[in-house]
Amino acid sequence: NAGVTQTPKFRVLKTGQSMTLLCAQDMNHEYMYWYRQDPGMGLRLIHYSVGEGTTAKGEVPDGYNVSRLKKQNFLLGLESAAPSQTSVYFCASSYSNGAAGDEQYFGPGTRLTVT
Amino acid sequence: DAKTTQPNSMESNEEEPVHLPCNHSTISGTDYIHWYRQLPSQGPEYVIHGLTSNVNNRMASLAIAEDRKSSTLILHRATLRDAAVYYCIDTGTASKLTFGTGTRLQVTL
Repeated sequence: NAGVTQTPKFRVLKTGQSMTLLCAQDMNHEYMYWYRQDPGMGLRLIHYSVGEGTTAKGEVPDGYNVSRLKKQNFLLGLESAAPSQTSVYFCASSYSNGAAGDEQYFGPGTRLTVT
Repeated sequence: DAKTTQPNSMESNEEEPVHLPCNHSTISGTDYIHWYRQLPSQGPEYVIHGLTSNVNNRMASLAIAEDRKSSTLILHRATLRDAAVYYCIDTGTASKLTFGTGTRLQVTL
């Protein structure tokens, strides 16, 4: 049982380049989330999904797109990377939503640097 | 958005109990209180959650005030491995955990 995995672990991009971050979970969770964490800050929600084929915007969605084509995968895309997107990106999943008391399981993070 | 207030940092000696406070004065009746912690260079991990009554698990205890406007995470015997940033979260709107800056716990020998 791997839990939540993220690919890649590290990446350096030049401004304007694009990339996709992959999140996978093997717990059959309905809900999946993408967060970013800037130095010295808490996590901020980018996008989330409440089930296969659905996505919704979080607190800081601009400059990112997501897709949930399969229940176990949640992809985060940067179409044209900017230095302001330099951050650590965390993926998480949960059986249902936190308001129902369910915990979120987090991946190890992807450290992205945009130069 | 549901907000919580925590001290920026706290210190504890190893083997001693630690009480981490959190204020959540705007909490509504159906919002859970979740606690997560983040060890250095790792993703957050769940610690405990509760609604009204006090809760215990293998990691910690959660004491929730009767009016639910505050809570306290209790680590019964702090170890060096407990050094982390602890986040108190009022779940508020469904599906959205709002992380503040948390409390950085330092544990010393």
